[in-house]
Amino acid sequence: KQEVTQIPAALSVPEGENLVLNCSFTDSAIYNLQWFRQDPGKGLTSLLLIQSSQREQTSGRLNASLDKSSGRSTLYIAASQPGDSATYLCARRVKAAGNKLTFGGGTRVLVKP
Amino acid sequence: DTGVSQDPRHKITKRGQNVTFRCDPISEHNRLYWYRQTLGQGPEFLTYFQNEAQLEKSRLLSDRFSAERPKGSFSTLEIQRTEQGDSAMYLCASSPTLWGKGANEQFFGPGTRLTVL
Repeated sequence: KQEVTQIPAALSVPEGENLVLNCSFTDSAIYNLQWFRQDPGKGLTSLLLIQSSQREQTSGRLNASLDKSSGRSTLYIAASQPGDSATYLCARRVKAAGNKLTFGGGTRVLVKP
Repeated sequence: DTGVSQDPRHKITKRGQNVTFRCDPISEHNRLYWYRQTLGQGPEFLTYFQNEAQLEKSRLLSDRFSAERPKGSFSTLEIQRTEQGDSAMYLCASSPTLWGKGANEQFFGPGTRLTVL
């Protein structure tokens, strides 16, 4: 059973459009949720971390929300640019599961100029 | 650059050979994690250290895999008798033990891509 799900798996938008990336998780006993960016063949870059006590976090054009009751997090990227093209991964940490992160499969984003 | 570093970045080996990867965490981060990522998938947790103690191991970590962090600084991940199914990106991450904003945020290295022929 997939514990963290990201739909869609791929997304293509024209430059300037706002991006909305979804992340669903099955365990409401969440400790924190982290969003990452991954460029092809590279490691992960941390974008935002939301603690369970928070509802959202913002950094520049990025905004991430967390709704524990519905088991969802959403990453918004305003005014997308071609440089935003990458795979975006969400990962959640559950209190009872130690310190490991459980990742979704990612959403591959292409921003067309 | 004071981020997480991993060495080598790429490794090609023949089936049955042993390989060892190294991870240097961010200085003063006492937690270190290993993950494995196959093509098109999200990373999967392998193991976790707090200082030199290995506190958690995934069922993915078969007896051919061993990880160490002898002095609580860098870590090594060894795979013995490699199999083609071991081909993946091996990612290392570290995090501080803090409370409050940013607590337990994991920072990842560039990864080691392993290809087993």
